[in-house]
Amino acid sequence: DARVTQTPRHKVTEMGQEVTMRCQPILGHNTVFWYRQTMMQGLELLAYFRNRAPLDDSGMPKDRFSAEMPDATLATLKIQPSEPRDSAVYFCASGTGPGNTIYFGEGSWLTVV
Amino acid sequence: RKEVEQDPGPFNVPEGATVAFNCTYSNSASQSFFWYRQDCRKEPKLLMSVYSSGNEDGRFTAQLNRASQYISLLIRDSKLSDSATYLCVVNTNAGKSTFGDGTTLTVKP
Repeated sequence: DARVTQTPRHKVTEMGQEVTMRCQPILGHNTVFWYRQTMMQGLELLAYFRNRAPLDDSGMPKDRFSAEMPDATLATLKIQPSEPRDSAVYFCASGTGPGNTIYFGEGSWLTVV
Repeated sequence: RKEVEQDPGPFNVPEGATVAFNCTYSNSASQSFFWYRQDCRKEPKLLMSVYSSGNEDGRFTAQLNRASQYISLLIRDSKLSDSATYLCVVNTNAGKSTFGDGTTLTVKP
């Protein structure tokens, strides 16, 4: 059963620390999305990639967040330095292109204290 | 204004009721549309695609009105297990998937 895999599932860190979240998209999927979800903001699109190239990262705070796809099987989202307001669930999703369904990982639950 | 807007609810309905959710989108270039379901502390999962002609999947009916930039989801004969948050999703031709904030449904015995 193909699925999107995210690590870590849960992370508690202190303010100022670097946080790296990883995502393995479903094999064969060429589009990868990073979303952030909080009670207040709903699901926000942070960035998305097609064929490893970033297409839109306008939803991402550039000063502290960065997203990359080192290869087709790995996407990363990094926060440096982390702040308490970054506490949220970060979802990775993958798909096969425009018009097609996207599939979510189980999320990385981040708490910054 | 958000690109995709939904009535947040919550909708509290008795078992067996019919309930409808609405969603509007602002980008007239949007190409494809979906409804997702999200259970508490879980990831969103596809419920159904939305086609221009309208489509049905059992107790669920989705409709799209491109002229009004409006999408709807109708749930008939609600079950307790339908309790969840329902998310409207709009895709552009470039493949950007934008989610609404979701509408929360609670079905009570």
